[in-house]
Amino acid sequence: GAGVSQSPSNKVTEKGKDVELRCDPISGHTALYWYRQSLGQGLEFLIYFQGNSAPDKSGLPSDRFSAERTGGSVSTLTIQRTQQEDSAVYLCASSLYGTRETQYFGPGTRLLVL
Amino acid sequence: KNEVEQSPQNLTAQEGEFITINCSYSVGISALHWLQQHPGGGIVSLFMLSSGKKKHGRLIATINIQEKHSSLHITASHPRDSAVYICAADPGGSQGNLIFGKGTKLSVKP
Repeated sequence: GAGVSQSPSNKVTEKGKDVELRCDPISGHTALYWYRQSLGQGLEFLIYFQGNSAPDKSGLPSDRFSAERTGGSVSTLTIQRTQQEDSAVYLCASSLYGTRETQYFGPGTRLLVL
Repeated sequence: KNEVEQSPQNLTAQEGEFITINCSYSVGISALHWLQQHPGGGIVSLFMLSSGKKKHGRLIATINIQEKHSSLHITASHPRDSAVYICAADPGGSQGNLIFGKGTKLSVKP
């Protein structure tokens, strides 16, 4: 079956613009995760959804970041008023039921804020 | 001090060598993950373990909960094993977060 897909694969935007990143998890996976990997840095957890709910949003770097998931499937990560420090690869992963299981990663969206 | 520390940061090996990558963590965990990030950026989950040892092909992962330490071993290394290996601690709870190490960049020379 299809793996986790993300779109766009690359996004170049100007500082101050809003961007929306999309994640399609593996069909039937109830858990969905967003991560960020800045250039030369390690992975950073952003947010986790179980179904449509995110129990804790404290991992989001600032209030310019928001995420939602509808229908227990597709998720969007929105960054408002982008800053240059938002430039990174944004990765999405999903797992079947929850956090005690193998996560399957998407290819990522490479965001560059000029 | 980071909550998850990996060593070494960089590792170069000759094909066929036995490789060990170490991960120490300071938080309580419900599980520890080992991930592989290919040069192109794709990430694959290798292991998730909460005790003992797991083996998959030439890869072996061990964890010592009392010592808060895990190791990833690669037997008979091959150039295709060249990648960044990342350990990640799952502290449990409902937040769903993982705490990542900075990764070990492995290069296996033919």
